[in-house]
Amino acid sequence: DSGVTQTPKHLITATGQRVTLRCSPRSGDLSVYWYQQSLDQGLQFLIQYYNGEERAKGNILERFSAQQFPDLHSELNLSSLELGDSALYFCASSVGSLEPYNEQFFGPGTRLTVL
Amino acid sequence: SQKIEQNSEALNIQEGKTATLTCNYTNYSPAYLQWYRQDPGRGPVFLLLIRENEKEKRKERLKVTFDTTLKQSLFHITASQPADSATYLCALPNQAGTALIFGKGTTLSVSS
Repeated sequence: DSGVTQTPKHLITATGQRVTLRCSPRSGDLSVYWYQQSLDQGLQFLIQYYNGEERAKGNILERFSAQQFPDLHSELNLSSLELGDSALYFCASSVGSLEPYNEQFFGPGTRLTVL
Repeated sequence: SQKIEQNSEALNIQEGKTATLTCNYTNYSPAYLQWYRQDPGRGPVFLLLIRENEKEKRKERLKVTFDTTLKQSLFHITASQPADSATYLCALPNQAGTALIFGKGTTLSVSS
């Protein structure tokens, strides 16, 4: 158990809908990262938050947004869902932000299926 | 942009043998490289980090090498066991140092 929790575990929804994925980092970790993993693309970095502020952006679509709250939990919002958004979404946390040597602790993931 | 290549084919070996996985990268010189293990349907788990000034790093049955001239890292599992069967991912920081870029992984299968 990494100490990172994600809810829900599974999510099935229809095209055009909006969903919210939730992540709670390990106790004491200030950074939260979001990743998308699909069979053909592998693990793709979406966005990072550090202590409530956005720190880095990866291949995140404009239809997707995220935030980190004062209690450090984070939410990833996916809107106008398309079939291609079906994937595993992982949240990870680490102690710091810009220090390069921090390992990341991954949550169990949310499996999103868009029908 | 950075490109990471791992053996796309699965690696099948017998129990007790040494598994060697390869990670090649292009276009820049990262300050470090990380290896993760991922089991089906689960999140990746950190295994090892090796810095650019380290040639080799060991942890129990795991050994990682980092050749900055060849732009390659090798990941070895000695005395492999069926429980080592998983997908192994290598990851490098992007050039800005703000995110980790993951390879697509190599799936290892160890048979008894």
